[in-house]
Amino acid sequence: QVQLVQSGAEVKKPGSSVKVSCKASGGTFSSYATNWVRQAPGQGLEWMGGIIPILSITNYAQKFQGRVTITADESTATAYMELSNLRSEDTAVYYCAREGGSQGLFDFWGQGTLVTVSA
Amino acid sequence: QSVLTQPPSVSGAPGQRVTISCTGSSSNIGADYDVHWYQQLPGTAPKFLISGNNNRPSGVPDRFSGSKSGTSASLAITGLQAEDEADYYCQSYDSGLSHYVFGTGTRVTVL
Repeated sequence: QVQLVQSGAEVKKPGSSVKVSCKASGGTFSSYATNWVRQAPGQGLEWMGGIIPILSITNYAQKFQGRVTITADESTATAYMELSNLRSEDTAVYYCAREGGSQGLFDFWGQGTLVTVSA
Repeated sequence: QSVLTQPPSVSGAPGQRVTISCTGSSSNIGADYDVHWYQQLPGTAPKFLISGNNNRPSGVPDRFSGSKSGTSASLAITGLQAEDEADYYCQSYDSGLSHYVFGTGTRVTVL
């Protein structure tokens, strides 16, 4: 069974950066895309971007272009999402999700990482 | 602003059937991209519920089913149970945005 385990909660100052990790086990990490989705308090899900580790191909939502960087370390089966120039509106739970099976299906999700941006 | 619109809430008595709509456009659902559904129980991460070709992961009962027509998709829950109380999200791909999009989300309440 695939498991995605994310790093712990973070509290950041406005203008700083945060890097969240997502370690995969139980599957073939490199061949599947890992995506990042966030959820602001009381709000819906928002796709941020993704990476296919074996191809080192990334795709980002236009909204986050220039602020988000998604990387992957195949040797440790870990994906990372770094968001820079944080503002209060970035306070959210950030999820990683494996894209497996059919077109765009996110079949396994991490437990989520709460990032709080506060002065 | 999400490009996939869902009703904010639906409710039903135990045992009833409820449906959740997911309305898109010609650049996503209408372009024949798959529509997947996720369930998010309170305080937990979303989980895969039904894929675009109506596959369910093990553990998801066949009371849940999906369908698609034109620029819309639907999730049906038959024999509604208390454990079905959750938020439900549809998800597809949008060719105009060139990325994945989620629906606005629907809260299901069991009366």
